[in-house]
Amino acid sequence: ETGVTQSPTHLIKTRGQQVTLRCSSQSGHNTVSWYQQALGQGPQFIFQYYREEENGRGNFPPRFSGLQFPNYSSELNVNALELDDSALYLCASALSGIQETQYFGPGTRLLVL
Amino acid sequence: EDQVTQSPEALRLQEGESSSLNCSYTVSGLRGLFWYRQDPGKGPEFLFTLYSAGEEKEKERLKATLTKKESFLHITAPKPEDSATYLCAALSGSARQLTFGSGTQLTVLP
Repeated sequence: ETGVTQSPTHLIKTRGQQVTLRCSSQSGHNTVSWYQQALGQGPQFIFQYYREEENGRGNFPPRFSGLQFPNYSSELNVNALELDDSALYLCASALSGIQETQYFGPGTRLLVL
Repeated sequence: EDQVTQSPEALRLQEGESSSLNCSYTVSGLRGLFWYRQDPGKGPEFLFTLYSAGEEKEKERLKATLTKKESFLHITAPKPEDSATYLCAALSGSARQLTFGSGTQLTVLP
């Protein structure tokens, strides 16, 4: 069974640029959530997708957007990058819906200069 | 607003010295309390899910318990490889998201 994978592992961007992060869910999982984790903090919920539809959103501005594809892989897009967007971005997949246990990928470390 | 608070922020133990980590939560209608382990620069690794007060789960040297306001992660006779940040997260009945605490950074010295 393949676990959750994310790409790229590391990324450096400059302020104002746009970035796309990718996630492949664990086999058989149709729910994916994205989190932002600043250094020394717990993950903060960005949004969740269930069967290709956005199913919940945290307190993040609209420049954070996402997609889930028919094979349940997912993308996180961030426009107009700001210095504070520097963080570890985590993707987590679940079997079906928010109530199920979420399994995390290794994360993408984003640095905005 | 849902809140999860973990204490202590950091804990240093000698190998074999048992202790407990605390997770206090304020959520409306708890649907699940989750514990994760996170190593530096990596994603959280799932440990336990607890659903109702009085529930307990064990895995090797770890035992998680749940009351109506708190959860505890008990570590018995820890080893250096148990060193990591331990995160708890709560899922409320009204929210569609997990609310995480800031974690407890555990260091076990040989």
